[in-house]
Amino acid sequence: QVQLQESGPGLVKPSETLSLTCTVSGVSISSYFWTWIRQPPGKGLEWVGYVSDTGITNYNPSVKSRVTMSVDTSMNQFSLRLRSVTAADTAVYYCARDADGGSDTFDMWGQGTMVTVSS
Amino acid sequence: QSVLTQPPSASGTPGQRVTISCSGSSSNIGSNTVNWYQHLPGTAPKLLIHRNNQRPSGVPDRFSGSKSGTSASLAISGLQSEDEADYYCATWDDSLNGFCVFGSGTTVTVL
Repeated sequence: QVQLQESGPGLVKPSETLSLTCTVSGVSISSYFWTWIRQPPGKGLEWVGYVSDTGITNYNPSVKSRVTMSVDTSMNQFSLRLRSVTAADTAVYYCARDADGGSDTFDMWGQGTMVTVSS
Repeated sequence: QSVLTQPPSASGTPGQRVTISCSGSSSNIGSNTVNWYQHLPGTAPKLLIHRNNQRPSGVPDRFSGSKSGTSASLAISGLQSEDEADYYCATWDDSLNGFCVFGSGTTVTVL
């Protein structure tokens, strides 16, 4: 049974860095692309970007200058770092598996973790 | 705001057919396939339709998808109370370096 679980601080101060990790179980992180998607309160879903098992990345233009994604195959985890956060980055952050490799097909999702940006 | 436009809401009584539209442009829907996601509040979104009209294993056949030009649609036939959720279309946009875009989302209410 494939499971994804997000972890990280639920509260981040403005201008600081948001860091989240997604731990994958039940499947090897190899041979797939892995994605972060977020949902601000009361708003829709927003694709943040993806990282492949070999470290290939692609980011949403809206956050490209502030975001870094990485993968740790030994730990079967992948991570998100978002720098210089503002209140607009407050959202539920989901990690998901990209089934088609750099696509919009997300077939496995974590339950999501709420991150609030506030002083 | 979202690159893909959906109606904010749709509703129907049990057993009715509900259709949700998703409007885009030549750089996204016009050039790529469309997926649909079902999202119940407090849960993880679920892939409902992929590649315009393909249902993943376990998705009831009363859910169907279609695409024409720069628009796509999701139809729910035989509406059931458990279908009350938010629905999002998604596709790839070929502008810039290419990125995934979601629709604005449609809340379906079962009356």
